[in-house]
Amino acid sequence: AQTVTQSQPEMSVQEAETVTLSCTYDTSESNYYLFWYKQPPSRQMILVIRQEAYKQQNATENRFSVNFQKAAKSFSLKISDSQLGDTAMYFCAFTLSGNTGKLIFGQGTTLQVKP
Amino acid sequence: GAVVSQHPSRVICKSGTSVKIECRSLDFQATTMFWYRQFPKQSLMLMATSNEGSKATYEQGVEKDKFLINHASLTLSTLTVTSAHPEDSSFYICSARTENAEAFFGQGTRLTVV
Repeated sequence: AQTVTQSQPEMSVQEAETVTLSCTYDTSESNYYLFWYKQPPSRQMILVIRQEAYKQQNATENRFSVNFQKAAKSFSLKISDSQLGDTAMYFCAFTLSGNTGKLIFGQGTTLQVKP
Repeated sequence: GAVVSQHPSRVICKSGTSVKIECRSLDFQATTMFWYRQFPKQSLMLMATSNEGSKATYEQGVEKDKFLINHASLTLSTLTVTSAHPEDSSFYICSARTENAEAFFGQGTRLTVV
């Protein structure tokens, strides 16, 4: 069975600074996708970034980038130039390739951006 | 990104009654939808995976007869909480999966059973 682990329950960062959120996962499969989702106080889940396992290049979306280490089964999220609106709970998620794979979430990391 | 609409956003019902929650993908066809339950400050717990035209696959520990899931079309899945009790009070979230494996989420439903 696949598992996703986020070992940082809470983190804080000063506005404009950079912060990295950690995520590890476990699977015996080789074809899968990894995601980071953001859940602000509104509780609406928002897709931040995705990574296909077959791609070696790390995904980047504006101020958000990932460090994908397939051999180590690690998938960290780096937020650059942190903004107050980045304050939210962040979830790392995993799904197998194919149309019916489950979307499994880590425990979440609450990020507080301080002015 | 794709849009998923979940309705209602908030519902209060009496103990013993049933409540239906709808999840619609508005601008894409979703062969797979997921239903989650989330407690405050906790992660999303997968309840079941719903595939269009077939029976839902429930996670271990989730009562099939209590949480009825129907995925009648490529754009609609429903979750019915039957004979609701106060312990069923929670935040329920649906998501719909696109062809490239991205999942988009509804706004969530806060269920309160009194």
